[in-house]
Amino acid sequence: DAKTTQPNSMESNEEEPVHLPCNHSTISGTDYIHWYRQLPSQGPEYVIHGLTSNVNNRMASLAIAEDRKSSTLILHRATLRDAAVYYCILREMNRDDKIIFGKGTRLHILP
Amino acid sequence: GAVVSQHPSRVICKSGTSVKIECRSLDFQATTMFWYRQFPKQSLMLMATSNEGSKATYEQGVEKDKFLINHASLTLSTLTVTSAHPEDSSFYICSAEPLWRSDEQFFGPGTRLTVL
Repeated sequence: DAKTTQPNSMESNEEEPVHLPCNHSTISGTDYIHWYRQLPSQGPEYVIHGLTSNVNNRMASLAIAEDRKSSTLILHRATLRDAAVYYCILREMNRDDKIIFGKGTRLHILP
Repeated sequence: GAVVSQHPSRVICKSGTSVKIECRSLDFQATTMFWYRQFPKQSLMLMATSNEGSKATYEQGVEKDKFLINHASLTLSTLTVTSAHPEDSSFYICSAEPLWRSDEQFFGPGTRLTVL
């Protein structure tokens, strides 16, 4: 499985943007970049995913490098509720494809 | 959005007993569900893939006779931890991927198992 590398932890101030980086230098042409997050004592939840173009949704934006070897999850205005572990995951777009979680980035939001 | 539930949310049992954890997709059908285990301060570890109507596929190092998985319908998968021991204490999480959408998996809230 293609692997991802993320910083162990990051801090950000409340109401400021947060940029969470992810390196995936061995990504293949059929791998989609997915982001999930896990709030304390909860199951993970989907955040966003993309292939080549930048993506936006109500939760976040995903900026993908032109060579696709890295990506950045952008939270435009962090709140205390965004404190979580964020996982960057590569998935081939096959049905029933399992998700392998890395260590993720623990995001701390400072009030 | 699609909802996955787990029952129970928390269970405490004595060593040597068996514990069954249910995972239900409440408003969608899923031929495939996944079971994960998570120890404190660690990431989720995939244990097995549960396939409706067929045998589960276990990840390397996961004992199939200890962690029994049954996927009897398109909305229910169960994980039974047999002869539980304190080292089995963990946070167990399931996920399901709807038939109608393959770009997102929906996760349950998790079951915290404590074996005394």
